[in-house]
Amino acid sequence: AQSVTQLGSHVSVSEGALVLLRCNYSSSVPPYLFWYVQYPNQGLQLLLKYTSAATLVKGINDFEAEFKKSETSFHLTKPSAHMSDAAEYFCAVSDLGEGSNYKLTFGKGTLLTVNP
Amino acid sequence: EAQVTQNPRYLITVTGKKLTVTCSQNMNHEYMSWYRQDPGLGLRQIYYSMNVEVTDKGDVPEGYKVSRKEKRNFPLILESPSPNQTSLYFCASSSGLAGVETQYFGPGTRLLVL
Repeated sequence: AQSVTQLGSHVSVSEGALVLLRCNYSSSVPPYLFWYVQYPNQGLQLLLKYTSAATLVKGINDFEAEFKKSETSFHLTKPSAHMSDAAEYFCAVSDLGEGSNYKLTFGKGTLLTVNP
Repeated sequence: EAQVTQNPRYLITVTGKKLTVTCSQNMNHEYMSWYRQDPGLGLRQIYYSMNVEVTDKGDVPEGYKVSRKEKRNFPLILESPSPNQTSLYFCASSSGLAGVETQYFGPGTRLLVL
């Protein structure tokens, strides 16, 4: 089974500062990787996903992530934080579970706080 | 509007009283899943369905049942709820396997079992 480690359960930045949310995965084969965002009292929505087409993936709201195979990392960045970015962020990796269940394994989440 | 709906959004119940959380999607997706979200644990898959009448266990299926009689609906059944099933539940659907395709999540159902 795959695993995902999100370093830092809580990250706090100032408005306008760089956002960096870290994600490391374990996978013996090239994975699909995802970042989902959860705004307060809402379900998760996709920010971006890596499917081996390009190592730098651009998503919505100016977020991007870079796949680094040598580091087994898929860190999420945004050049300039906005107050509306305050949310919980989940990294997820494709995982061939039992049977034919090609599912997602999620990290534990990182709560991003943006200070004015 | 493409969406996944869940009902109810909030539910308080007592131990042992059977309940059903409904999930419906209007995107004609074949693949549907149920997850539970607990603080510090992220999301864990309870059950999934790859098509009508095809369901199977995820990582934490104990105490839950599901059915998939129609493509759009995937209800989650707790036959005898216990306090350890207090959690936030999400239904999700996708056009293909969850590990490959984008999943679309419902708004969540917050369950408290007393």
